[in-house]
Amino acid sequence: EAGVVQSPRYKIIEKKQPVAFWCNPISGHNTLYWYRQNLGQGPELLIRYENEEAVDDSQLPKDRFSAERLKGVDSTLKIQPAELGDSAVYLCASSLVPAASGNTIYFGEGSWLTVV
Amino acid sequence: AQSVAQPEDQVNVAEGNPLTVKCTYSVSGNPYLFWYVQYPNRGLQFLLKYITGDNLVKGSYGFEAEFNKSQTSFHLKKPSALVSDSALYFCAVSSFTGGGNKLTFGTGTQLKVEL
Repeated sequence: EAGVVQSPRYKIIEKKQPVAFWCNPISGHNTLYWYRQNLGQGPELLIRYENEEAVDDSQLPKDRFSAERLKGVDSTLKIQPAELGDSAVYLCASSLVPAASGNTIYFGEGSWLTVV
Repeated sequence: AQSVAQPEDQVNVAEGNPLTVKCTYSVSGNPYLFWYVQYPNRGLQFLLKYITGDNLVKGSYGFEAEFNKSQTSFHLKKPSALVSDSALYFCAVSSFTGGGNKLTFGTGTQLKVEL
């Protein structure tokens, strides 16, 4: 069974440019997460979806970040414009529904962003 | 608010020796605890989790972890370390927030296994 798929794996952009990351969760997983991992730190949640609905986006910097999950499957995370401090790994993850506590969350390989 | 502490930035151990990576947590209600491993330039791989029941949980690659409620700890252990176990290890705690699970991670512990 395929795991969580993310693209691109690596992206280098100049500051003020836009960038987008795509994620395809594990088949049947209705809960999707975007995490950001800064160098030397643990991942931090940006946004969580249940099907198409964003149920927790309190940590998403909404002035420059946006996300969507049309049709409740694939998701896209966008940054516009990018800043130097956005350099990080953007991790997509998914888990089964019902989203009861204790469900294992599975991560993709990550999209490594460098803003120069 | 929930939180996880991994007090050691790095743990060094000789191959064949037992290893322990420490984790303590803080959460309201019952904790659901996880360990993940991250190899260089890779995503996070699930190792094991504690939900309920036996305090000793066994996971992938010979790893196990012991849940201790009184000490609010969930230390990762392996009886005999391998050089290939060298990686970054994250402890995480889950809570039932807003109707779903939300993982909060520690800052990670770099494990280095030497010959």
